[in-house]
Amino acid sequence: EADIYQTPRYLVIGTGKKITLECSQTMGHDKMYWYQQDPGMELHLIHYSYGVNSTEKGDLSSESTVSRIRTEHFPLTLESARPSHTSQYLCASSVVAGGNTGELFFGEGSRLTVL
Amino acid sequence: KNQVEQSPQSLIILEGKNCTLQCNYTVSPFSNLRWYKQDTGRGPVSLTIMTFSENTKSNGRYTATLDADTKQSSLHITASQLSDSASYICVVSDRGSTLGRLYFGRGTQLTVWP
Repeated sequence: EADIYQTPRYLVIGTGKKITLECSQTMGHDKMYWYQQDPGMELHLIHYSYGVNSTEKGDLSSESTVSRIRTEHFPLTLESARPSHTSQYLCASSVVAGGNTGELFFGEGSRLTVL
Repeated sequence: KNQVEQSPQSLIILEGKNCTLQCNYTVSPFSNLRWYKQDTGRGPVSLTIMTFSENTKSNGRYTATLDADTKQSSLHITASQLSDSASYICVVSDRGSTLGRLYFGRGTQLTVWP
């Protein structure tokens, strides 16, 4: 079982609120990711990190921001939530060896609903 | 354009039956292909990894095949169980960048009925 944890699992908030989705892993993986997933659709990469103080935007444009101050922690923040942000957010981590991305270990996901 | 297409989109089978899920990709240069299982409301979990030189690999009742020439992979599930009900996602990694970029299919939603 993967040692990667997300909180909260479910969150319902009003428009304009600031939210932070937490993600922590205890496997010592350098690379971490945030994906957005809507029903019946593929996972879309919104942010990733190679290691401490490294963050990059993914393929899908997102108004969220991330930080990587510690190897094990990769939180995602929305300064002002909108209904269009309603989605499932999945955090993952992996090792990278020889330019190849290893197995992704996913958290349980955070389902966000913005009213 | 690098893409991963999965079929069928959804599948319903009876418990104990076998089934095969398909994954076609155009990702190049190819590094590896993984099949993930995602239970409802959970994160995906890796089932198998296929590299260029591998044709088939088994993990219990799951058997993955890879034809690198036709860029096709399949996941065969034998003697299905109710717990096999999930979305099965095909993920292809490229070798063209230092990032080992990943391309995701939309998944096949499998439902196993008693």
